[in-house]
Amino acid sequence: NAGVMQNPRHLVRRRGQEARLRCSPMKGHSHVYWYRQLPEEGLKFMVYLQKENIIDESGMPKERFSAEFPKEGPSILRIQQVVRGDSAAYFCASSRNLGGLNTEAFFGQGTRLTVV
Amino acid sequence: SQQGEEDPQALSIQEGENATMNCSYKTSINNLQWYRQNSGRGLVHLILIRSNEREKHSGRLRVTLDTSKKSSSLLITASRAADTASYFCATGWDGSEKLVFGKGTKLTVNP
Repeated sequence: NAGVMQNPRHLVRRRGQEARLRCSPMKGHSHVYWYRQLPEEGLKFMVYLQKENIIDESGMPKERFSAEFPKEGPSILRIQQVVRGDSAAYFCASSRNLGGLNTEAFFGQGTRLTVV
Repeated sequence: SQQGEEDPQALSIQEGENATMNCSYKTSINNLQWYRQNSGRGLVHLILIRSNEREKHSGRLRVTLDTSKKSSSLLITASRAADTASYFCATGWDGSEKLVFGKGTKLTVNP
């Protein structure tokens, strides 16, 4: 059972370009979370998705950022018109849901986005 | 804010010593989780403790939870150089699936 797979591991974009980050959850997991981590900081929650639904996007910036988790395929975090401040590590996690109780979340290795 | 706060921010010990890290949070939770992150890597889940539990063990790890004080501690016994990493607590609470992380404790175990 492969873990949470994120790609690419490293992504360099020029200001104004678009960044697409992909996350394939663990087999059997239907919940996906995206977090952002700045250097020397903890992880900041961005969005929580289940298949085809955004459940909680309270941590997502209002503009330029979007996320999806289609019925088929990986979850995508999309950042349009990137700026230098978007440079960070973006982590995806997946979990199962057991009757509404939080279960442990398994994290991917992250995508390190650098905006030049 | 629900965010957990780890204490201390940084801890340096010798191999073989015990390391204790603390986490405080602000509102009611239904569970608290500890994670480890090696430099430049993803997070590894260590242990989950539910709000109705007071203590949990996993190998050299011991986690306590005091809901009256809204705090948790992670004890690593007989530390090894390989334990060098950042340790984060994350809280989950009723009505929400998201985990909220603190800024972490950076542990250095010197050989």
